[in-house]
Amino acid sequence: GAGVSQSPRYKVAKRGQDVALRCDPISGHVSLFWYQQALGQGPEFLTYFQNEAQLDKSGLPSDRFFAERPEGSVSTLKIQRTQQEDSAVYLCASSARDRLYFGPGTRLTVT
Amino acid sequence: DAKTTQPNSMESNEEEPVHLPCNHSTISGTDYIHWYRQLPSQGPEYVIHGLTSNVNNRMASLAIAEDRKSSTLILHRATLRDAAVYYCILRDVKKGYGNKLVFGAGTILRVKS
Repeated sequence: GAGVSQSPRYKVAKRGQDVALRCDPISGHVSLFWYQQALGQGPEFLTYFQNEAQLDKSGLPSDRFFAERPEGSVSTLKIQRTQQEDSAVYLCASSARDRLYFGPGTRLTVT
Repeated sequence: DAKTTQPNSMESNEEEPVHLPCNHSTISGTDYIHWYRQLPSQGPEYVIHGLTSNVNNRMASLAIAEDRKSSTLILHRATLRDAAVYYCILRDVKKGYGNKLVFGAGTILRVKS
């Protein structure tokens, strides 16, 4: 079946621009996670949704980062006024029970 | 969250078994041991998980020490496609399925042909 998809796969933004990254989870998956992965490091947790409720946003690095999942399926991670340190791969994962299914990620480069 | 310790890197020959160790001396009774791997330019993928008993699936085996303070992921015959970063992660089942995975640096596995 279809896995988790993310779009765009690559995004180049000029410093100060706003970006929106989309995640399409596996159909029926209640849980959705966003992670940020810097080059050469493991993924770092950003935020978690259970259906449309954002239950944990402890990993969001600043108030420039905002995530939503209004209908409990597709989720969008928005980064306002991008900075160079936001350059990373942004991974989305969905889960029904005890394992997470990750998408391929969106590579964001801020110039 | 309880921490895990893994070697930075390991090397294996193709077609040979690989044993990837993980130490988790502060593991709690409700922590499951999960393994994920990340192939180049892909998101992490689930490999296997267990609580106390050894586990086998089509990808790998998980051997868990009797005191649960360490575990070993076993790839029975490494192929070039197994070259990846392998992450050993503890996940507390008490916190429910919304409990996030906390990734460390993992072990980079290189497979030589």
